[in-house]
Amino acid sequence: KQEVTQIPAALSVPEGENLVLNCSFTDSAIYNLQWFRQDPGKGLTSLLLIQSSQREQTSGRLNASLDKSSGRSTLYIAASQPGDSATYLCAVERLSGGATNKLIFGTGTLLAVQP
Amino acid sequence: DGGITQSPKYLFRKEGQNVTLSCEQNLNHDAMYWYRQDPGQGLRLIYYSQIVNDFQKGDIAEGYSVSREKKESFPLTVTSAQKNPTAFYLCASTNRYYNEQFFGPGTRLTVL
Repeated sequence: KQEVTQIPAALSVPEGENLVLNCSFTDSAIYNLQWFRQDPGKGLTSLLLIQSSQREQTSGRLNASLDKSSGRSTLYIAASQPGDSATYLCAVERLSGGATNKLIFGTGTLLAVQP
Repeated sequence: DGGITQSPKYLFRKEGQNVTLSCEQNLNHDAMYWYRQDPGQGLRLIYYSQIVNDFQKGDIAEGYSVSREKKESFPLTVTSAQKNPTAFYLCASTNRYYNEQFFGPGTRLTVL
């Protein structure tokens, strides 16, 4: 059974600091991995999608890497800003014969960037 | 603007009532999903649909029902059989070719 773990559960950093969020999964047979951001009381916003054949994806100050063999992904945020404060979730898509797109989610990392 | 809408934003239910949560998308996505989010837990899949008039149970389908009569719409009914329905409900959809899931703003359901 696929399990997704995110460590740490909460993180507080001063503004301007570079930081790394971690995501690990138990079964390396994944189709892709997706990172999301969730603000309090809101839906999820997709940040980056990494296909299983890719090693990393970048969008602005965000960089996500994927190492399937070790069951790990990291989300790197450069020059953090108070507006980056949110919960960050990672999710892996199960590899199956059909196009089910069923995601397994971690419990998230709550990030607070202090001004 | 393309996107996913959910209504209502807040919903209150009395014990023994059925309630229906709305989810509409204009992204022309084939697949749609319902998730439940509880504090301290990850999102859990309730139901999903890959095509009109077809849907499958997710990991926690008991006490819920869905329909998919139109490509754009995937309503979720929380029945009285769901013993602990208070939660945040999220609807999502995906393009079958790119696989990136997009989410709606959510509905917070509270049982009084």
